[in-house]
Parts: sequence; C-alpha cells; structure tokens
Amino acid sequence: GESVGLHLPTLSVQEGDNSIINCAYSNSASDYFIWYKQESGKGPQFIIDIRSNMDKRQGQRVTVLLNKTVKHLSLQIAATQPGDSAVYFCAENKSGGGADGLTFGKGTHLIIQP
Amino acid sequence: ETGVTQTPRHLVMGMTNKKSLKCEQHLGHNAMYWYKQSAKKPLELMFVYNFKEQTENNSVPSRFSPECPNSSHLFLHLHTLQPEDSALYLCASSQDEAMNEKLFFGSGTQLSVL
Repeated sequence: GESVGLHLPTLSVQEGDNSIINCAYSNSASDYFIWYKQESGKGPQFIIDIRSNMDKRQGQRVTVLLNKTVKHLSLQIAATQPGDSAVYFCAENKSGGGADGLTFGKGTHLIIQP
Repeated sequence: ETGVTQTPRHLVMGMTNKKSLKCEQHLGHNAMYWYKQSAKKPLELMFVYNFKEQTENNSVPSRFSPECPNSSHLFLHLHTLQPEDSALYLCASSQDEAMNEKLFFGSGTQLSVL
C-alpha cells in the first residue's frame, strides 16, 4: 500500500478560519516532506517543506508540523481565504532519495465556505 | 508561473493516433520528469532525465516514448494509446535529480483517449 496518505478526502472550512490538513506516512526512513497545492486546471505548486531534523516550519500564513513519533505531518493555513481552495497533498522522500523515492499522497480537497 | 511550460493544455486523440506532448523549463534546472495524474490517485512517476540522460523508467508501457534533446526541453511521444491512458500528464523540473528537493510543475496536458 501507499506509505503516504491523508485522513480526509475533503475539508470544508469557513472563510477566515484556520485550516488543518493532515497526512500520515509509514516509512520511518523518510526525512524530507513537502506540501503541494493544486488549483483546478493547474499543476501542483510548492507550498512548504520540512526536513526530519525539525518539528515545525513556518511560511507566509502556513505552518507545517512534523511528528516523527507517530509519523504524522500537518499543514496549517491561517485565516483561510477563497484563494486557498485547492487540493493539497503531501509528499515524502527518504534520505538520499532522488525523484524515484518521492511518494505522493492522494490529496485533500479544501473547500472554503463564505 | 512556475517556469515550466507545457503544450498543449488539452489533447483528444484516437487510439491509432500519434501525438507528442512538449515541456520546456526556463529555470536552468538539470533534471526533468514526466508524471501521470489520474483521478483520485497519487501522482505516478513515469520518466526521469538528469543532464539529458534517462535515469528512471518506472515500468511505463512502450506506447509512451520520452525524448530529452537538452536540459530545457522534454517530450512525451504517444502512440497507440488506450482509453485508460486518459489522465493529466505533468512535467516537472528540479535542480538535480539526486538531491532531495522540491519539484516545479507545469500546468499539465489533459489527455483524453477515445
């Protein structure tokens, strides 16, 4: 089975609220994690990444949290806006892994309600 | 824009047709990739080129034939496709295939095989 997955296929949030998108991984050797955003009709766009020597990393309105103990990754989006509507998916890679080691999750569709 | 351009955006072809997908990156990267994205499935790596040399063929049927004339251009030649090959085909690039790093994706070619 897949080593990377998401808990919910669809997440609906009110505009202005914070969004939390979760991702579980099963490969303990994975040490690099990426979140991508894919809007309708577009390719995946890099949001933020984190390496296993960190627990938390912040970007502009986004925060990624990594819990290596339970192999869990989350993406937090602050003050969700209509432009945040998209499919979000995580990806993992092993230490020394090239593109062939990059594993993607299926994605969570984030829906913003006015 | 991500710096990775794909043409055409949409393609409809019959099973006996021959067509080609084109990808061009303006980022000065050395690695280029073809991915297949089907509905409700994770991204599937097809081919990897690093410094114009193919380094990965992920058990892709021979009806898909990649070509990389230089580090900036990547083609995917299609011949005798099947309806199940209908999907979004994404091109991506990165600085180097061997390093753990983020990929830059194009907007994809939405392919329909009739």
